[in-house]
Amino acid sequence: QQPVQSPQAVILREGEDAVINCSSSKALYSVHWYRQKHGEAPVFLMILLKGGEQKGHEKISASFNEKKQQSSLYLTASQLSYSGTYFCGTDSLGNTPLVFGKGTRLSVIA
Amino acid sequence: GAVVSQHPSRVICKSGTSVKIECRSLDFQATTMFWYRQFPKQSLMLMATSNEGSKATYEQGVEKDKFLINHASLTLSTLTVTSAHPEDSSFYICSARGTRGEQYFGPGTRLTVT
Repeated sequence: QQPVQSPQAVILREGEDAVINCSSSKALYSVHWYRQKHGEAPVFLMILLKGGEQKGHEKISASFNEKKQQSSLYLTASQLSYSGTYFCGTDSLGNTPLVFGKGTRLSVIA
Repeated sequence: GAVVSQHPSRVICKSGTSVKIECRSLDFQATTMFWYRQFPKQSLMLMATSNEGSKATYEQGVEKDKFLINHASLTLSTLTVTSAHPEDSSFYICSARGTRGEQYFGPGTRLTVT
């Protein structure tokens, strides 16, 4: 079942922060985050395994709440290069194909 | 991160012809690769899971006789769109699964059927 992402779209000025949420109705083994720029393939950002961990990648970090079946992606002090569509992909069993949300379109403006 | 290539990046073909798209993992071996289809401004729709040395697993609603998948080696999977029609026009993306379950995507192939 497809995870639900929110918001659908967000516009930020450089330096502002944003949070993108991903929630599932099924128990999750892992959550993956990707960023896709227009006309390009998605780029892997990070993977979070069940256990409520939080990970960081430069100024982009994420958390995974296993009990709530939710993950959040945090973008701090956004840069123009952060613009793109962010997808979360979920895996419920540990070795199944990812199911991707509909994406969150992030636009960072000067 | 790992590198996945896809060829061709763009192809235009006539209705009724077949098109083969190649997906290669360049710096790692991938026993599992995935094929997705993406329409403009939409999410990635999984078409099939390609396993090296065995038959592909197709998602519900995907015609296996139309979208032929072959995973000939640990670094190569191919998708052949047979008897293509205009409605098959789309952005096709492959990915290879890494050791932690993460997926590395190829650059995609834009197929236009005229």
